[in-house]
Amino acid sequence: DGGITQSPKYLFRKEGQNVTLSCEQNLNHDAMYWYRQDPGQGLRLIYYSQIVNDFQKGDIAEGYSVSREKKESFPLTVTSAQKNPTAFYLCASSTYSSTDTQYFGPGTRLTVL
Amino acid sequence: AQSVAQPEDQVNVAEGNPLTVKCTYSVSGNPYLFWYVQYPNRGLQFLLKYITGDNLVKGSYGFEAEFNKSQTSFHLKKPSALVSDSALYFCAVRDIGSNYQLIWGAGTKLIIKP
Repeated sequence: DGGITQSPKYLFRKEGQNVTLSCEQNLNHDAMYWYRQDPGQGLRLIYYSQIVNDFQKGDIAEGYSVSREKKESFPLTVTSAQKNPTAFYLCASSTYSSTDTQYFGPGTRLTVL
Repeated sequence: AQSVAQPEDQVNVAEGNPLTVKCTYSVSGNPYLFWYVQYPNRGLQFLLKYITGDNLVKGSYGFEAEFNKSQTSFHLKKPSALVSDSALYFCAVRDIGSNYQLIWGAGTKLIIKP
């Protein structure tokens, strides 16, 4: 069953804590993305990666970090430096040649307590 | 600056009636235009895209979109709405001069009433 999985579905974080959101894909896609979605706003790009061991900052990378050690995996860490982390986080992937047709995971809803 | 606008936060349509969800864009070059749909608490799903060619693009689930260069619009349409079409719809644009990054509209909530 091909697709993108994100875990956990819901995540609660205390102030000052780092948390890591998982994103895995078995579509054999080269490119992967992390977006943040807030009510009434479009998706905002946090980080993206075109190939393994390489990634670039998006519009709102401050307070976030990523790694891309495997083609299938692109975890996102929300650090304590992110001042307003409560949001819905979406991971996506695409082929290298068709980067605008993106396939999305089901999302992780992060809430800071 | 590149931007996408979806002027309506919400659109209400009776089942069986035609629907239109509006999108306008501003880019420096020729646009690639997209529509995605998001069902509650789910990720986005690709509906359709315009790159070049025929101004009327057909997509998934009976949706289509009309590209209008003079009005810089890319409205999403469907001839006969279904209750199951109720969802959040996002328009996005990519300037062909950019790499990877899509510029997203804020989304329009479509409510189809039985």
